[in-house]
Amino acid sequence: DTGVSQNPRHKITKRGQNVTFRCDPISEHNRLYWYRQTLGQGPEFLTYFQNEAQLEKSRLLSDRFSAERPKGSFSTLEIQRTEQGDSAMYLCASSLAGQSYEQYFGPGTRLTVT
Amino acid sequence: AQRVTQPEKLLSVFKGAPVELKCNYSYSGSPELFWYVQYSRQRLQLLLRHISRESIKGFTADLNKGETSFHLKKPFAQEEDSAMYYCALKPNDKIIFGKGTRLHILP
Repeated sequence: DTGVSQNPRHKITKRGQNVTFRCDPISEHNRLYWYRQTLGQGPEFLTYFQNEAQLEKSRLLSDRFSAERPKGSFSTLEIQRTEQGDSAMYLCASSLAGQSYEQYFGPGTRLTVT
Repeated sequence: AQRVTQPEKLLSVFKGAPVELKCNYSYSGSPELFWYVQYSRQRLQLLLRHISRESIKGFTADLNKGETSFHLKKPFAQEEDSAMYYCALKPNDKIIFGKGTRLHILP
């Protein structure tokens, strides 16, 4: 296990298109988190899962964003009808439920909406 | 409101000089505070947490509830300390990050 992986690493899309990102957590981790990071900011929490259950969603997450973790392993984050303001680095992290303070981050997916 | 403030975007320090990265937080409950670090071309990773009260890579951080601060300190900076440092607050299962401070160690 080489840690949390994310695909793709970079995505350029035109405004209005849908995009989907994938995150594969560390295999024994039951918690999975999604964050968004824009230039000059720290990561902002979007949502998290414990196993397949989505336990919390940020108010930042508009209806155009949806995340799934169907089998409690990998997760997908979909953005529908992308807008230029969606351009950001999307980070995934995973942890054990009892050690949620130590989140292991992936390399991120950089989204550019033109 | 739950918030983490890092007042410095960039901190430049000479090698061998002391380092202090400032962090203030806003939280009404009993806080769990952390420092995360991101070295060049590497992933964001946990550096230390206030509960453990340990020194990692020579860095320490003391929680001061009266001043609502959690400053990161190191007595003698090393070139390999150059990185982006994020102070973070964990009110529940999510983490709230500050905007980060870029630490640049000058030779």
